[in-house]
Amino acid sequence: AQSVTQPDIHITVSEGASLELRCNYSYGATPYLFWYVQSPGQGLQLLLKYFSGDTLVQGIKGFEAEFKRSQSSFNLRKPSVHWSDAAEYFCAVGAGFQKLVFGTGTRLLVSP
Amino acid sequence: EAEVAQSPRYKITEKSQAVAFWCDPISGHATLYWYRQILGQGPELLVQFQDESVVDDSQLPKDRFSAERLKGVDSTLKIQPAELGDSAMYLCASSFRQGNLADTQYFGPGTRLTVL
Repeated sequence: AQSVTQPDIHITVSEGASLELRCNYSYGATPYLFWYVQSPGQGLQLLLKYFSGDTLVQGIKGFEAEFKRSQSSFNLRKPSVHWSDAAEYFCAVGAGFQKLVFGTGTRLLVSP
Repeated sequence: EAEVAQSPRYKITEKSQAVAFWCDPISGHATLYWYRQILGQGPELLVQFQDESVVDDSQLPKDRFSAERLKGVDSTLKIQPAELGDSAMYLCASSFRQGNLADTQYFGPGTRLTVL
């Protein structure tokens, strides 16, 4: 069965510093991979998604993610974090008409 | 910009009571999803509709939960009776096409349920 692991429950980053959130997945075939962001008390917003092709994916709000098949990873990155990026980030995996499976999330805190 | 609407935003109830949540997807979206998100976890799919038909309800606790989408537009999720373990955020999402994950799922703001 497919699964997603986000090993970091919390991460604190200084404003202006770079960010990398880790995501590892388990899936039997080539997966679709997603990153969502959830602000407090809100629903989820899609940041970016990977289906095939170029393994470096650009998303909204200056985020990018890189698919590494050999490592079963899809880490999210941002070169310079803003205070408004503080939120919870979810990695998800699925494919085709199967259901989306989410990780447990990483809460990002941004310090001044 | 079109959004998924949910109501109520917050619901407090006592165990053994009945509760209902409503979702209005983005106009024209054929697929509607209900997710449950327990505090500290990611969302988990409860039920998926394709128009008015249930496509996947394998994770829906059918002894107490029910969901309907009678006209293939808005949807209601009901819990009867509510239990303490049902306290969670209930998220609704919709997508344009026939449930393919290549199609972006748009999420509503959710209903936060607290069962006392």
